Amino acid sequence: TQLLEQSPQFLSIQEGENLTVYCNSSSVFSSLQWYRQEPGEGPVLLVTVVTGGEVKKLKRLTFQFGDARKDSSLHITAAQPGDTGLYLCAGGSNYKLTFGKGTLLTVNP
Amino acid sequence: DSGVTQTPKHLITATGQRVTLRCSPRSGDLSVYWYQQSLDQGLQFLIQYYNGEERAKGNILERFSAQQFPDLHSELNLSSLELGDSALYFCASSAGQVSSYEQYFGPGTRLTVT
Repeated sequence: TQLLEQSPQFLSIQEGENLTVYCNSSSVFSSLQWYRQEPGEGPVLLVTVVTGGEVKKLKRLTFQFGDARKDSSLHITAAQPGDTGLYLCAGGSNYKLTFGKGTLLTVNP
Repeated sequence: DSGVTQTPKHLITATGQRVTLRCSPRSGDLSVYWYQQSLDQGLQFLIQYYNGEERAKGNILERFSAQQFPDLHSELNLSSLELGDSALYFCASSAGQVSSYEQYFGPGTRLTVT
């Protein structure tokens, strides 16, 4: 069974701060995706990374896939209240995505 | 709006009953995935269909079944419902069948079993 561990589980910060959340596994994935989910809604895809060591930037968000394709990180610069939500990572293998339990981020104004 | 639609939005039913959840994928997407999300288990993959055929199975109970129709919409059938089946059920779709294809999620169906 492939497991994805996300840390921290909860994170509460002030507007303007930087933060990094992590997604770790003992398994190798062919791809890794990050999603953001707001209460009562479906997850929204943020990014897909497929190459070990790959770095992708999406405005203030920076995503990195580990060299061994077992882990990933999401860094947010100058967080804003609109960044509040549940951040989920999902590892892809063949036909399945395995999701971590997420990091619940709260950005206070 | 992801383009994936799910009905109903909310469903309240009693233990032992059977319900059907419906999903319409994004236009052009051939794959449909079903997920269950609960507070303690997180988002759990249930089953995937690609162009009408079952492609992958996750932690789907025998009391649950799904199918994808020729028009590509999908239904998830939950029977002999138990209190523990209360959860959010999401459908997602993607253009291809392997996991690297981007998945787009619907708004979900909140099932409450009383």
